[in-house]
Amino acid sequence: EAQVTQNPRYLITVTGKKLTVTCSQNMNHEYMSWYRQDPGLGLRQIYYSMNVEVTDKGDVPEGYKVSRKEKRNFPLILESPSPNQTSLYFCASSILDPRGTQYFGPGTRLLVL
Amino acid sequence: KQEVTQIPAALSVPEGENLVLNCSFTDSAIYNLQWFRQDPGKGLTSLLLIQSSQREQTSGRLNASLDKSSGRSTLYIAASQPGDSATYLCAPSEGLNRDDKIIFGKGTRLHILP
Repeated sequence: EAQVTQNPRYLITVTGKKLTVTCSQNMNHEYMSWYRQDPGLGLRQIYYSMNVEVTDKGDVPEGYKVSRKEKRNFPLILESPSPNQTSLYFCASSILDPRGTQYFGPGTRLLVL
Repeated sequence: KQEVTQIPAALSVPEGENLVLNCSFTDSAIYNLQWFRQDPGKGLTSLLLIQSSQREQTSGRLNASLDKSSGRSTLYIAASQPGDSATYLCAPSEGLNRDDKIIFGKGTRLHILP
């Protein structure tokens, strides 16, 4: 089944404790992206990747890192999480670029205490 | 910068009615526009993608129209069902370049009353 998977689905952590949210797609898509969704602010892009080893900042990249060493994986790293990073995070992928149909993961709900 | 507005923010209608969700965007230089559905606490599912050269796109009971020059798109849902209850988001591309991202509206939360 074609899908985007994210792990973990739920995470409670404390300020400053490094964490990684994994994202994997099995559709051989070139484009991958991370979004965060907050009430009243909607979906905002954090980082995106047009292909392996090619990443770029979205609208709200501060406090986040990403890497794209393999085509299928695009992990999101929070080196020192803070409470303002409490949010619902989505990974998405598209076959070539952001203009194509985007497939979303199920989301990761993060709470930073 | 592309700005996307969806009105109304929330809508409740009885089952069986036909309904229209509205989306407006400020920059008409778009490559395409996508409509998504989001169930509470879940990921987004793409419903329809309409290219800038198209006027409309249909999938089952859903029909999306695009008027690029006026910066408007509508999603028409025929014969609504309780299972259609969800938040619907529109997302035009920010521009015409390959890496131009899509910009999401804040969505219309739809509740179909049985």
